[in-house]
Amino acid sequence: NAGVTQTPKFQVLKTGQSMTLQCAQDMNHEYMSWYRQDPGMGLRLIHYSVGAGITDQGEVPNGYNVSRSTTEDFPLRLLSAAPSQTSVYFCASSRIFGNQPQHFGDGTRLSIL
Amino acid sequence: GEDVEQSLFLSVREGDSSVINCTYTDSSSTYLYWYKQEPGAGLQLLTYIFSNMDMKQDQRLTVLLNKKDKHLSLRIADTQTGDSAIYFCAENNNAGNMLTFGGGTRLMVKP
Repeated sequence: NAGVTQTPKFQVLKTGQSMTLQCAQDMNHEYMSWYRQDPGMGLRLIHYSVGAGITDQGEVPNGYNVSRSTTEDFPLRLLSAAPSQTSVYFCASSRIFGNQPQHFGDGTRLSIL
Repeated sequence: GEDVEQSLFLSVREGDSSVINCTYTDSSSTYLYWYKQEPGAGLQLLTYIFSNMDMKQDQRLTVLLNKKDKHLSLRIADTQTGDSAIYFCAENNNAGNMLTFGGGTRLMVKP
């Protein structure tokens, strides 16, 4: 049981570079989401998806793109990295939203220089 | 908009009870959650409570919900060193498609 797998675990980028954070789940969950965690601020929702082909914005979507071409994968793209995007990024999934427990990956620690 | 607040830090001795508090603003929340985060790991769901309940107990964990005051608490009985972690409360929004997290309470358990 892999659960929610995030890659890479660590990444350092230069300002202006682009990259994709990968997230995959093997539980056939419909709902997937991306959060960023900053010190003292808890987790803030970036984007979410309620199923393949459907995505929507969360609380802090600017500077990030997502797509959901399959049920299993939900990549997060940084188009032009900025120092303000230095954070820990978590992917989560659940069978559906609501009272279903959200399963979190172990996170990607991203530093933008 | 929704706002969830928690105290930053709590220190207890092993064997004592821990009480972590949380206040929220969205009175339409359906579910309220408690998550645990250990160093270098993601968030683990500990428990959740439906908004029409006052209390939920699960082994060493007791959740109390005061809807009038919009106050949620998590009590850990017989706290162990393995309980040292950051604890987050969270509420779902009115549409049910977004969780709003508090800033987290760091629990330190001293032997």
